[in-house]
Amino acid sequence: DARVTQTPRHKVTEMGQEVTMRCQPILGHNTVFWYRQTMMQGLELLAYFRNRAPLDDSGMPKDRFSAEMPDATLATLKIQPSEPRDSAVYFCASGLRAGGSYEQYFGPGTRLTVT
Amino acid sequence: AQSVAQPEDQVNVAEGNPLTVKCTYSVSGNPYLFWYVQYPNRGLQFLLKYITGDNLVKGSYGFEAEFNKSQTSFHLKKPSALVSDSALYFCAVRDKNSGYSTLTFGKGTMLLVSP
Repeated sequence: DARVTQTPRHKVTEMGQEVTMRCQPILGHNTVFWYRQTMMQGLELLAYFRNRAPLDDSGMPKDRFSAEMPDATLATLKIQPSEPRDSAVYFCASGLRAGGSYEQYFGPGTRLTVT
Repeated sequence: AQSVAQPEDQVNVAEGNPLTVKCTYSVSGNPYLFWYVQYPNRGLQFLLKYITGDNLVKGSYGFEAEFNKSQTSFHLKKPSALVSDSALYFCAVRDKNSGYSTLTFGKGTMLLVSP
């Protein structure tokens, strides 16, 4: 049963520290998405990649957030420096673009708390 | 631009009764429509989708949804609710004519099924 995996599941850090979140998409999926979920804003798309190339990162604060796919099995989301307002659950999702009939498969999320 | 509205923050229903979770959408072209469910401390799970064809779509766990083009709606339904259906439900849309693979999610509706 293929799944998207994310590490770490929980992260508590102090303001100003660097945070790196990792995602392993489902093997063979060619699109990867990063979302942030908060009570106030709901589910927000931060960035997405197709075939490892970034296609849209307009939802991401560029001054502190960066997203990369070093290879097809790893996507990373980095926050430097972190701030308390970054506290949220960050989800990675992967999908396979085959015509229009596809779904996004979500990982379990990384719960980030910045103090 | 594409958007989704879930007008109810919360829906309460007694076990055994039918349930409906509402969703309306806006796209410039024809829509792909999705429902996802999120259980506590978990990622989103795909429930069902409408791509084309029959307006009544059946999905996982006995859920179904009806696509209504004239009302631009895609309400989620189940004939008999279970306590275990209690979760957060998200409706999502993608414009078929969009060159991007991104989905736009609604804010979510919390479904509470009482014993």
